[in-house]
Amino acid sequence: QQQVKQSPQSLIVQKGGISIINCAYENTAFDYFPWYQQFPGKGPALLIAIRPDVSEKKEGRFTISFNKSAKQFSLHIMDSQPGDSATYFCAARGRAGSYQLTFGKGTKLSVIP
Amino acid sequence: DVKVTQSSRYLVKRTGEKVFLECVQDMDHENMFWYRQDPGLGLRLIYFSYDVKMKEKGDIPEGYSVSREKKERFSLILESASTNQTSMYLCASSSEARRGPEQYFGPGTRLTVT
Repeated sequence: QQQVKQSPQSLIVQKGGISIINCAYENTAFDYFPWYQQFPGKGPALLIAIRPDVSEKKEGRFTISFNKSAKQFSLHIMDSQPGDSATYFCAARGRAGSYQLTFGKGTKLSVIP
Repeated sequence: DVKVTQSSRYLVKRTGEKVFLECVQDMDHENMFWYRQDPGLGLRLIYFSYDVKMKEKGDIPEGYSVSREKKERFSLILESASTNQTSMYLCASSSEARRGPEQYFGPGTRLTVT
């Protein structure tokens, strides 16, 4: 049973545009929401993460928006660049002290010049 | 920097063979994980370990076992490989006490079972 639903499956964005990837969850016990970026041939690497007591977190061109009441969070990539082309995974952790992350199915982002 | 290494980048095995995938981390992390990654299915947790000799099943443990005899090393074992175990296998480690819940991933092992 998938507990984190991610959309879209793939995304094509023009260079300079905004890329938006969405995730939704059901488990209200989730307390940590990271986004991972994966380039071909590499393992995923943490991009940015948020906790549910914050509605937005920004790091450079990357922003997480978090809507606790709707149980949704999203990744926004501003001024998207071809170097951002990768697969992005959202994830959620069950509770403090739980070591497991539940991942979304991933979004393949292609930024075209 | 945290480094997670996996013993092989590519592996080809025959159906029925016993397969060992090795993972080593160099940051004294307590927690280690094995995932498999398949197109359209994301990352699915096979097993994890939160201490030496301790293990817990993840979401898809069937057909797999693990071993953690030393803190830095976590092995994934396919007792009798089958074609449906052809996949990308990713190892990760974390330390809640030191760095919070962030998981650090290795580069992956692409296993093909023929």
